[in-house]
Formats: sequence, structure tokens, C-alpha cells
Amino acid sequence: NAGVTQTPKFQVLKTGQSMTLQCAQDMNHNSMYWYRQDPGMGLRLIYYSASEGTTDKGEVPNGYNVSRLNKREFSLRLESAAPSQTSVYFCASRKPGTVNTGELFFGEGSRLTVL
Amino acid sequence: AQTVTQSQPEMSVQEAETVTLSCTYDTSESDYYLFWYKQPPSRQMILVIRQEAYKQQNATENRFSVNFQKAAKSFSLKISDSQLGDAAMYFCAYRSPNSGGSNYKLTFGKGTLLTVNP
Repeated sequence: NAGVTQTPKFQVLKTGQSMTLQCAQDMNHNSMYWYRQDPGMGLRLIYYSASEGTTDKGEVPNGYNVSRLNKREFSLRLESAAPSQTSVYFCASRKPGTVNTGELFFGEGSRLTVL
Repeated sequence: AQTVTQSQPEMSVQEAETVTLSCTYDTSESDYYLFWYKQPPSRQMILVIRQEAYKQQNATENRFSVNFQKAAKSFSLKISDSQLGDAAMYFCAYRSPNSGGSNYKLTFGKGTLLTVNP
């Protein structure tokens, strides 16, 4: 099983450029999440989507937009990248029916550098 | 808001020995869920172990076990018979029972980097 797949794995941007991080899961999960990981900060939730067609802000949504294109795909867009958005981004999904005890399944991460 | 604190940025252990990673959390809730996630150098995080706060018995998964002290709000991870493959960043995470459904969210600690020496 592929699980959660993120692309690209690495990206370098200049300040002001835009880009989209793609995420897809093949586990038929309803809920999907975008986190960012910064040194000494743990993981912080950017946006999440409970199901196709719905999205909600997490802890650090500013500067980002998301699209839940269908059940499989959940993309994260940076409209005008800033150096503060240099980070490693993780997409995750959760198995249906596990709201009380469910684990998250993570992708391998996308390392983004904004110059 | 809940907070999760991992006070050990780095730990090291000799192969085959035992190591304990610390985690404390702050909450006013009585029922919640706690997790330990492992992030090996390949960077994909995986769940190691889970504990429900209403259960007094400490969770165990093979060589991994927890010491859950609810009154002290402590949730440490013990790794027995450490192996080279255990080397990774370990994250403690908290989930509130009120964050169910569409609001399911985990609050993560900052992580502990575990090195296993041969």
C-alpha cells in the first residue's frame, strides 16, 4: 500500500513565489490534515478536512490555503511564499470510525525552503 | 489550551539497554488520549503506542511500554532492549475527547531525538 503520498519532497522558492503541495491517500480515509514541523516546535496543525468538500483552519493557517479536491487528495497552497514558511510539511489522514482512539497516518514530508 | 512538554531534546542509549523518554502535559480534562509517535530518519511518522486516560493499566506494545501517571500528568515511554532501528525522533501527543469528529486534532510535544549506540 502506498499510504499517504506527498509531492514534491523538496522545493526551493523565492520570496513571493507560489506553489502547491500535493497529498493523496489510498486508504479511503475521510479526514486529512496538513502539519508543519519546525526545529524545536514539534508539529503544528495548519488546516484539516473532515471530508470531501470541507476544510477548517488549524493552529497556524495564515499564509496558506487548502483544497480538498476529492476524497483522496488534499492540497496545500502558498500564494506568496515568505521565509517564515521554510519548514517541513506533513500530510496525514485518519481512518474512519476512529475519532476516539485513531492514529494518524503520515506522509514522508515535503521540505520547503523559501529564500 | 492543552500543552505537551518533552523536557529532553536528546537522549542516547546503548544497544540492548533500556531508555525512558519523558513527557508531561497540561490539561483540565479528565478523559483524553495520549500517543507516542516515532519519526525515523526517513521522516515518516508512525504510531508507537497509545493510552486512554480512563484506563489505569499502562499500555504495552512489545518492547515499548508507557508509565502513565494521571495525577502527575506524566506519560513516559520506556524502550527495552534498544535496537539500532529505534534511533529516531520521538513525539508525545495529546488528544482531547472534545476534539472529535471534524475537529480531531493532536497537540504534539517538541520531540526527543534518541540515539542508539552500538
